[in-house]
Amino acid sequence: EPEVTQTPSHQVTQMGQEVILRCVPISNHLYFYWYRQILGQKVEFLVSFYNNEISEKSEIFDDQFSVERPDGSNFTLKIRSTKLEDSAMYFCASVAGRFQETQYFGPGTRLLVL
Amino acid sequence: SQQGEEDPQALSIQEGENATMNCSYKTSINNLQWYRQNSGRGLVHLILIRSNEREKHSGRLRVTLDTSKKSSSLLITASRAADTASYFCATDGRTQGGSEKLVFGKGTKLTVNP
Repeated sequence: EPEVTQTPSHQVTQMGQEVILRCVPISNHLYFYWYRQILGQKVEFLVSFYNNEISEKSEIFDDQFSVERPDGSNFTLKIRSTKLEDSAMYFCASVAGRFQETQYFGPGTRLLVL
Repeated sequence: SQQGEEDPQALSIQEGENATMNCSYKTSINNLQWYRQNSGRGLVHLILIRSNEREKHSGRLRVTLDTSKKSSSLLITASRAADTASYFCATDGRTQGGSEKLVFGKGTKLTVNP
């Protein structure tokens, strides 16, 4: 069964460093999302992406964050200058089409900012 | 506004017993989804119920939806130790200005004791 994959599974970085989290959505899916989950808290929406542009972003998704689909298969989340509070599990998700509501999630990247 | 608040926050049962988890939400929805998360792992989609449906089954899972009360329940019958996980409900935001993001609750942590 097709699945969403994410790399790396874990990343440790120093505050102020840039990180890029990578996702490979399910191949025929058209809508892509990033969510994050701070330890012990809710899963929170960050951004949605369709047709090579952001369709919606949350208040969390400030100028330090950016997303890209560089090559038609990968979907990346970049954090330019990480802060301690960016430490969280980051999940990528994809949906087949506008009326296919089930979002399929990847296994997540656990980011630790020191 | 908060959506998808589950209760109880934690539930501990014996193998073979049934587990019922509840979810309440505040705004109108198109659908409600239940996800499962093993400790520190990704989100696995369990079941989606649409706003015009009242009940849905999938294997040992039974989900109900009461849109008049803005609540849903997830019943796991004949529980197994392997069902130990956190369970989240998530509502779509599509009626809120066309957003497709999912809004998650804090989850119910289910422990099934062998």
